[in-house]
Amino acid sequence: EVVMTQSPATLSVSPGERATLSCRASQSINDNLAWYQQKPGQTPRLLIYGASTRATGIPARFSGSGSGTEFTLTISSLQSEDFAVYYCQQYGIWPPWTFGQGTKVEIK
Amino acid sequence: EVQLLESGGGLVQPGGSLRLSCAASGFNFRTYAMYWVRQAPGKGLEWVSSISSSGGNAYYADSVRGRFTISRDNSKNTLYLEMNSLRADDTAVYYCAKDAHSSGWFRDAFDIWGQGTMVTVSS
Repeated sequence: EVVMTQSPATLSVSPGERATLSCRASQSINDNLAWYQQKPGQTPRLLIYGASTRATGIPARFSGSGSGTEFTLTISSLQSEDFAVYYCQQYGIWPPWTFGQGTKVEIK
Repeated sequence: EVQLLESGGGLVQPGGSLRLSCAASGFNFRTYAMYWVRQAPGKGLEWVSSISSSGGNAYYADSVRGRFTISRDNSKNTLYLEMNSLRADDTAVYYCAKDAHSSGWFRDAFDIWGQGTMVTVSS
């Protein structure tokens, strides 16, 4: 099983600042990595797939990078609607499909 | 509009059974692999089960194997999850999701999610 580890667990950021979230896979998954955003009481929303490709309708301030075992989600200038929990997920080696434990981005 | 709508959740006693449904619309359901993912209260996302477009291949998390069965009816554009021998730790919101790739196989991220249906296992 590929274990996905996200850091930090919580990230406190001021609006307008940059946020950098990390995700590490326990073995290489190439670029088979997705990022999801989940706001309280809402369904997860796909942000990034293929490690770096934005999903349809996702603003350009969201960017993903990395390959192999180390991945990063960057939000260049945080907007009020970006405060949420972010999950990474690998879909390269399955079953099982595995998620990280999530990073909560909160207002500083 | 591409949409997934789950139903069938509710309160069930330990050891009981429940059948979840996920009605798909707005896309060619029969050409996509589908998934069930759950989220316990206050916790993260946990993959539960996957099924190929034809229904011929299915996979399960260790925590549910032997108790849950995934299936689909492509003529009705509907995905199912039959849950038996339910336990308290099965309590969660259950989401259905579709694969982003139309190959029918497990190729990509989960691009569309339903709104979820709550399953509570308690006496």
